[in-house]
Amino acid sequence: SQKIEQNSEALNIQEGKTATLTCNYTNYSPAYLQWYRQDPGRGPVFLLLIRENEKEKRKERLKVTFDTTLKQSLFHITASQPADSATYLCALDQTGANNLFFGTGTRLTVIP
Amino acid sequence: DAGVIQSPRHEVTEMGQEVTLRCKPISGHNSLFWYRQTMMRGLELLIYFNNNVPIDDSGMPEDRFSAKMPNASFSTLKIQPSEPRDSAVYFCASSLVQGSANEQFFGPGTRLTVL
Repeated sequence: SQKIEQNSEALNIQEGKTATLTCNYTNYSPAYLQWYRQDPGRGPVFLLLIRENEKEKRKERLKVTFDTTLKQSLFHITASQPADSATYLCALDQTGANNLFFGTGTRLTVIP
Repeated sequence: DAGVIQSPRHEVTEMGQEVTLRCKPISGHNSLFWYRQTMMRGLELLIYFNNNVPIDDSGMPEDRFSAKMPNASFSTLKIQPSEPRDSAVYFCASSLVQGSANEQFFGPGTRLTVL
């Protein structure tokens, strides 16, 4: 069956450290993978997109990697801040379609 | 732009009643998506439209659910009759589909409680 698994429901880290979130998938062949941030009571907000032929993508303090052999994406937040506390969702397509399938998310808490 | 607009923000209804959720996508976007989010199942795609035409409704749980998009600036998701297990947050998202990779813009959601 198709699955998108994010490494843990919750992750606590100390301010200033690097947070690393994992997204693993099975029985998908995505052309790209996206990461979204969701704050309580709000809809998800797009952060980054990485294509299957890209190994790494960066945006400010964010970095995403995509390994289609391992069927895994890693999402890093460097120099984390309490304002980074939120739930982070990975999402991927099924090649040829425009709809996204979402993981269940990882709730990140950055402790001051 | 005001972003994706959803109404109502909160809806409490009794089992058996009809519920209609509304969405106004971002102007100029050509795709619209309805999602449902629960603690147990996460964010699930219910249906999506491209140029106002339903493309994939395989996520619609039952015949009690229906969605329409009469024009490019308005969509509805209807549940009739509603049941307690329909309680969830329903999100609408829109996107400008150009090629194969498109970010989606989500609305604030409608929190539905069916008693």
